Formats: sequence, C-alpha cells, structure tokens
Amino acid sequence: AQSVTQPDIHITVSEGASLELRCNYSYGATPYLFWYVQSPGQGLQLLLKYFSGDTLVQGIKGFEAEFKRSQSSFNLRKPSVHWSDAAEYFCAVGAMDSSYKLIFGSGTRLLVRP
Amino acid sequence: EAEVAQSPRYKITEKSQAVAFWCDPISGHATLYWYRQILGQGPELLVQFQDESVVDDSQLPKDRFSAERLKGVDSTLKIQPAELGDSAMYLCASSLQYQETQYFGPGTRLLVL
Repeated sequence: AQSVTQPDIHITVSEGASLELRCNYSYGATPYLFWYVQSPGQGLQLLLKYFSGDTLVQGIKGFEAEFKRSQSSFNLRKPSVHWSDAAEYFCAVGAMDSSYKLIFGSGTRLLVRP
Repeated sequence: EAEVAQSPRYKITEKSQAVAFWCDPISGHATLYWYRQILGQGPELLVQFQDESVVDDSQLPKDRFSAERLKGVDSTLKIQPAELGDSAMYLCASSLQYQETQYFGPGTRLLVL
C-alpha cells in the first residue's frame, strides 16, 4: 500500500539556520511528490512539486526538495530559515488507488527560535 | 490569484445535529476533492468529483455523510447526524483536471460537542 513517512514530529531551528525536513514514501510506480505548508488554522499551501525531470525542484519562499529514487525520499530544504517559516509541513505522494489521490504524511511541525 | 473558497470557517454543533459545508473551487477546475484532517494528522480523502460525477467515495462514511456537486461547480458536504468523532478540519481542494496539482481552500474547522 502507498504510504508517506515523515519521521520528525517536531523540529526546532534557530532563525538563519539551515533546514531539512525528511520524507520517505512507499509507492510502486514513479511517484508524483508534493510538499505543502499549513499555518495554524489554515488550509494547505503548495510549496513545490515533482512530476518528472530534474530531481532538484525549486519552490516558493526559498524552499527546494530533492527526489532520490534509490532512497525513496523527497526531503525539503531551505538554506536560511525565517521566523515566518514556523508552520506544519506535509509531504504527499500522488498515488493511484481506487482513484488518483494524495496520500499525506503525518506532518512535521517547525518551530523557529529567535 | 484565484483561490478555493470554503464556508463556514468554523462550526460548533452538538452531536446528532446536521451540519453542512460549502466549497467553491477555482474557476474552471473540473476535479474537486473533500479531505478530512484530524488534529495532528495529515489530510485523508473523503470524496472526489470529476465535474458533477463522483469518482471515489470509498472513504466516505455513507451512513452519515453525503456530498454533491450538482452543476459541476460548487459542492456541499453534509453530516447527519454529527458524532463527537467528526470533530476535525474539513478541507476542499480542486485541480484543473484529474491527476493535476491540487489547490486547497482554508478549511472548515468542525467541533462537535
């Protein structure tokens, strides 16, 4: 069965420090991969997506992610975190089951120290 | 920038009452999704429409939940009767076509007392 694992429930970084959020997926075919961000009480905003091609994907707000097929990973990175990046981050895989759907991880909450 | 609209943003109800949520997708988007997000978890798909037709409602608790998209534009999700375990965020998303990028609305947070 398709699944997404985000092993870190919480991550705390200092403002200006670099960030890497981990995501591992289980899917038999070539996946569509996504990172979304959710601020408290809000909906999900798309940060970036991977469908095919270059395995290093650039997104909004200075985020990037790298697809590594051999590791079944799609980790999210940012070189310098801003206080406004504090939010919950969700990795998702687009998978065919009974229909095409997004399978989400359980999320990683990012806290930013001033 | 076009956005998915949802209302209400918050709803408090008592168990056994009926509740309804409304979603207006981005104009021109043929595919519409309803997700449920329990606190501390990622969203899970409840129902998916392609135009006015249901594509997948395998995870929709049909004894109490119903969803419609009569004219293939906006959609309503209903719960009757609500149960305590239905307390969650209900998210609507839309995409231009099937298997394309999904864009989410702000959600409706439901609290059942």
